[in-house]
Amino acid sequence: DQQVKQNSPSLSVQEGRISILNCDYTNSMFDYFLWYKKYPAEGPTFLISISSIKDKNEDGRFTVFLNKSAKHLSLHIVPSQPGDSAVYFCAASSYNFGNEKLTFGTGTRLTIIP
Amino acid sequence: DGGITQSPKYLFRKEGQNVTLSCEQNLNHDAMYWYRQDPGQGLRLIYYSQIVNDFQKGDIAEGYSVSREKKESFPLTVTSAQKNPTAFYLCASGTDTNTEAFFGQGTRLTVV
Repeated sequence: DQQVKQNSPSLSVQEGRISILNCDYTNSMFDYFLWYKKYPAEGPTFLISISSIKDKNEDGRFTVFLNKSAKHLSLHIVPSQPGDSAVYFCAASSYNFGNEKLTFGTGTRLTIIP
Repeated sequence: DGGITQSPKYLFRKEGQNVTLSCEQNLNHDAMYWYRQDPGQGLRLIYYSQIVNDFQKGDIAEGYSVSREKKESFPLTVTSAQKNPTAFYLCASGTDTNTEAFFGQGTRLTVV
C-alpha cells in the first residue's frame, strides 16, 4: 500500500522555465511533508519542508504547496537550472500520531534541458 | 566536520554470505534509519532506532538485522535469508521525527 505517491516517474523542463513536481498521499494522519533531492549514487539531501498548518513554504527558487483537502503537495522550482536535474523524493511523517518514521514516494526524475 | 558516514561505497558478496554495512554519525542524533532503494520503488524503510539498545522493524525487515550498541553507530547485516539483497542501501539519522533526516552517501551492495 503506497501511502505517498509520485505518479510521474520523469519530467523534462526547459532551462529557465518552471518545474512542478507533484505528490499525493493517502494517510490523513500525515502532518509534516518534506522534499529531498538525490543525485545518482549519492544519498538524498533535504530540500524543503512544510507543516500541515501551512499551505505554502518558500525558500529561494523552491516553493512547496500543500492542499490538505486534496491530500496533495507540489514542489515548484523557478527558474529551473541544469543543476536541478536529479531525482526528487516526496516524504511524509505523522509526528502527532506517534508514527516516528518518514514514508517516501517513489521519486520523480527531473531533467532540465539547456 | 559533522556528518553521517557509510562504508564501503561498493560491496560485492557471494550468494549465501552474510554482510554487514557500516553507518556512523557524529551529529549526536538519537534516531538512525536504514533504507533500501530499488528502481521504481523509492526508499523503503528496513529498520530504525530511536535510542541506544532499541530498534524497530520497518516495512521490509525480513532478512536483515541491526544493532544499536552506541549512539553513533547503527550497522546493518544483510543475511543469507534476504532473497534479493542487491540494492542501494542508505543510512540516515535525525534528531526529531518532524525535521529532516540526514543521509549518508549510500552503499551499493551487489550479490553474485
